Amino acid sequence: GDSVTQMEGPVTLSEEAFLTINCTYTATGYPSLFWYVQYPGEGLQLLLKATKADDKGSNKGFEATYRKETTSFHLEKGSVQVSDSAVYFCALSEGAAGNKLTFGGGTRVLVKP
Amino acid sequence: DTGVSQDPRHKITKRGQNVTFRCDPISEHNRLYWYRQTLGQGPEFLTYFQNEAQLEKSRLLSDRFSAERPKGSFSTLEIQRTEQGDSAMYLCASSGGAGEKLFFGSGTQLSVL
Repeated sequence: GDSVTQMEGPVTLSEEAFLTINCTYTATGYPSLFWYVQYPGEGLQLLLKATKADDKGSNKGFEATYRKETTSFHLEKGSVQVSDSAVYFCALSEGAAGNKLTFGGGTRVLVKP
Repeated sequence: DTGVSQDPRHKITKRGQNVTFRCDPISEHNRLYWYRQTLGQGPEFLTYFQNEAQLEKSRLLSDRFSAERPKGSFSTLEIQRTEQGDSAMYLCASSGGAGEKLFFGSGTQLSVL
């Protein structure tokens, strides 16, 4: 079945540091890929997505590129802020599965001033 | 648009008791999803509805779990004869249709003592 593996946290960074969170996936078809973020005390929010190979999703300074050859969708941000402290989830959805999402285990990111 | 609402936010119950959670999706969203999230893990799909029809159920959804969406608007998730392993955050999400963005509620945290 489908699965998503992402790096374990917590990841602790200083403000303005470069952030990378690795995500790899296993899927039978051609999934759409997502990054969701969960800020403290809030619900999951879609951060960005990519629906086909080589697509780049971007939002709020975050980027991720759909790499079919390496089955990866790594999240990057060039200069993090304290407000980026959150838990980040990589996820996939198979096109025929009605938006059903398969999530990775989440990576907690803590940005210190 | 007030977002996805879930009630209650927290529920503490004794093993063997029945509990029911409610989810109010964004109005006019025809798809509604239930997920379960345990501490340190990503959300796991439980079931989803398109309007009032329950279209898919995960193997995680044992016979003790039942979900309904009687009028295609709000949904309830009932757990009968709760067990300690049912302790988790139960998340609801809604979307406007296939391929549409999912909006998540803040969840109901269940603790079974």
